[in-house]
Amino acid sequence: NAGVTQTPKFQVLKTGQSMTLQCAQDMNHEYMSWYRQDPGMGLRLIHYSVGAGITDQGEVPNGYNVSRSTTEDFPLRLLSAAPSQTSVYFCASSGLGTYGYTFGSGTRLTVV
Amino acid sequence: GEDVEQSLFLSVREGDSSVINCTYTDSSSTYLYWYKQEPGAGLQLLTYIFSNMDMKQDQRLTVLLNKKDKHLSLRIADTQTGDSAIYFCAAGNQFYFGTGTSLTVIP
Repeated sequence: NAGVTQTPKFQVLKTGQSMTLQCAQDMNHEYMSWYRQDPGMGLRLIHYSVGAGITDQGEVPNGYNVSRSTTEDFPLRLLSAAPSQTSVYFCASSGLGTYGYTFGSGTRLTVV
Repeated sequence: GEDVEQSLFLSVREGDSSVINCTYTDSSSTYLYWYKQEPGAGLQLLTYIFSNMDMKQDQRLTVLLNKKDKHLSLRIADTQTGDSAIYFCAAGNQFYFGTGTSLTVIP
């Protein structure tokens, strides 16, 4: 099982550029979430999805878009990158009958 | 949303017990979780406790839950250098996470 796969692992963007962080899971999980991790602030929820076609905002959604066209994929789009979006981004998934989230290995994003 | 708080740092000597504490605000949380994050890696689920339980033991790990005070703790017995990591508690249906406690084990 691959679990949760995130690509790329590292990315450097210039201010104003856009990009998509990819997340895929092969466990047929209904729930998927995106978090950002910043020093001293823990993990903060950006967007989440409870199933294909259904998404909702978390604590810090501004500047990010998501879509969930399939059960497997949950991409995170940065519309116009800003230095404040420099962070480590984690995708996670969970399914009915499972406990807790399975996390990807993260994408380290630097915006210059 | 949920407010989950943890102290940022804990340092213990190898062989001692470690206790990591967490407080949360949402009393409707059905499950509460502890995750471990090693350097450069994602989070791994360590253990969880159902909200109607007071205690759960899993080998060297003991989770205590005080629902009245909304306080969760993780005790690691016989702490080893391999336990050095960041530990997160999580609560709420959308998994709100604490700030993480960085555990350093001194040989």
